[in-house]
Amino acid sequence: EAQVTQNPRYLITVTGKKLTVTCSQNMNHEYMSWYRQDPGLGLRQIYYSMNVEVTDKGDVPEGYKVSRKEKRNFPLILESPSPNQTSLYFCASSFDRNTEAFFGQGTRLTVV
Amino acid sequence: GNSVTQMEGPVTLSEEAFLTINCTYTATGYPSLFWYVQYPGEGLQLLLKATKADDKGSNKGFEATYRKETTSFHLEKGSVQVSDSAVYFCALSVRGYSTLTFGKGTMLLVSP
Repeated sequence: EAQVTQNPRYLITVTGKKLTVTCSQNMNHEYMSWYRQDPGLGLRQIYYSMNVEVTDKGDVPEGYKVSRKEKRNFPLILESPSPNQTSLYFCASSFDRNTEAFFGQGTRLTVV
Repeated sequence: GNSVTQMEGPVTLSEEAFLTINCTYTATGYPSLFWYVQYPGEGLQLLLKATKADDKGSNKGFEATYRKETTSFHLEKGSVQVSDSAVYFCALSVRGYSTLTFGKGTMLLVSP
């Protein structure tokens, strides 16, 4: 089954404790991205990657890092999480940047 | 730049009522247009799409027509069901830009 898998689904952490949210896709897509979803603000793109070893900032990259060492994986790293990063995060992949995106189930992160 | 404007929700309807969710856009270039649906606790799923002017996308009884002259892509369904309760996102992509641009989402609540 074609899918985008994120882990964990839920995470509660403390300010400053580094964390990684994993994302993996099995569709051989070149384009992957991370979004955060906040009430009243909709979806905002954090980072994207057009291929292996190619990543770039989206609209709200501050406080986040990503890497793309393999085509299927695109982890999101929060080196020093803060409460304003409490949000619902989605990973997405697509054949290229202009075709339909496939989304993961989401990761609900709470930073206290 | 590119932007998408959706009607604010929630939209509250009774089962079997007619649904319209308005979406208008601005784009530099010729966009592809999408409607995504997010059911409670889940990620976004593509509902339908249209890639050129006058195209009609349809799926699960939902329809939307790409209207270049009015820069609109309104979502319609003739008879909604309780199971259609979800958040609906209008989105666009333009060749040469690296991101999908989403509207803020419209929540639909359907009561029996």
